[in-house]
This record gives sequence, C-alpha cells and structure tokens, in this order.
Amino acid sequence: GENVEQHPSTLSVQEGDSAVIKCTYSDSASNYFPWYKQELGKRPQLIIDIRSNVGEKKDQRIAVTLNKTAKHFSLHITETQPEDSAVYFCAAVPGGSYIPTFGRGTSLIVHP
Amino acid sequence: DAGVIQSPRHEVTEMGQEVTLRCKPISGHDYLFWYRQTMMRGLELLIYFNNNVPIDDSGMPEDRFSAKMPNASFSTLKIQPSEPRDSAVYFCASSAEAGNTEAFFGQGTRLTVV
Repeated sequence: GENVEQHPSTLSVQEGDSAVIKCTYSDSASNYFPWYKQELGKRPQLIIDIRSNVGEKKDQRIAVTLNKTAKHFSLHITETQPEDSAVYFCAAVPGGSYIPTFGRGTSLIVHP
Repeated sequence: DAGVIQSPRHEVTEMGQEVTLRCKPISGHDYLFWYRQTMMRGLELLIYFNNNVPIDDSGMPEDRFSAKMPNASFSTLKIQPSEPRDSAVYFCASSAEAGNTEAFFGQGTRLTVV
C-alpha cells in the first residue's frame, strides 16, 4: 500500500516568513495529492490539491509543487500570518483505489 | 447540504461500556471513511465503505471495533467493550464517486474512556 512521509513534524516561523512542508510517497500509481489544514479542535479541511499531470499549483499565498519522478510534493506558504497556525496534512491517493493515505501532520506555529 | 454530520461531538464513557459513534455523509457521496486521530499515530484509516459496502477494514485495530452502513445516509462505528486506549478523536469523511476528489470531514467525536 501507499506510504506517506511528512516533514517536519513541527515548524515555527515569524509572521511574514515563508513556510515549506515536504512529503514523499511510495506508490507510483498515486495521482492526486491533497493538502488539509486542521485548526485546533476543528475538522481537517482541504486547502489545495494537485494532480499528477501538473507540476505546480498556486492559490494566493499557498502553492504546491509535485515531482513525480522523485515522488515528493511540497506545500509552500508565503507571507505567513498568525491565522495560518494549524496542523497541515498531506495525502496521496492512488488512481483506482481513491483512498487517501495521510502523512503524520506538521504543526505550523506562526509567531506575531 | 450541511456537510458530514457526526454525533455525538463528545463522549465520555467508562471502560467496558459499549460506545456507538454515528455519521451522516454528504448526500450523493459514495465513499465513506472512518478515521481515528491521536497525537501518537496521526490520522489512521479504520475502515471505508463504497456504496454502503465495507471494502477494507484492515485498519480496524481489534475485534472490539465494528462498523456498519445500513444505507447511503448513515453509518455507525461501535466499540464494545471500550478501553482507555481507545480514547481519541474519531472522524467520519465522505467523498464523491468520481474518485480522486476532496474528502469532506465531519466535526469529529472526541471519545474519552475512563
């Protein structure tokens, strides 16, 4: 089955800095890579996703990159704000199974 | 649609008691997932259903755990008997038939077994 590794487990930045979270996956059949944000005490919610036919996708301050050859993908947050503080999960979904395998999560702390 | 609805939001029970968690997926979604979230293990997939049929329950930790989906709009996760190590947040999520699409999570049930 799919295995997703996520790093770092904790990331602390100053407001205005950039934050990068990296994930690797094992199943070359994976073709959908969503990122979820979970605020304290809340449900995980999708913030951005990327499919295997695209190398990069951007939505305002958030961007995701995908390297299928190396089997890794990353989340980039620019100009971080305190409200970006949350746990971020990456996931990989193999084509055909539709079952997301999640990384362990990254706790992002943005200091004002 | 109100999204995925879970109940109860919080459950405190004594060790040995039966616990039933409930989930109503988004209408029209053919996939339903039960996850358990703990600090130690992150988000673990327990079981998932496709069109009300359990497809993979390999994530269910023990025979004490069971899940059902009697119809397209309702699923339950039951723990009998419950143990303190079952304490966690349990999420239900659903996604559309098209596959490779967003999974919508419920608010979760925080279970505490004392």
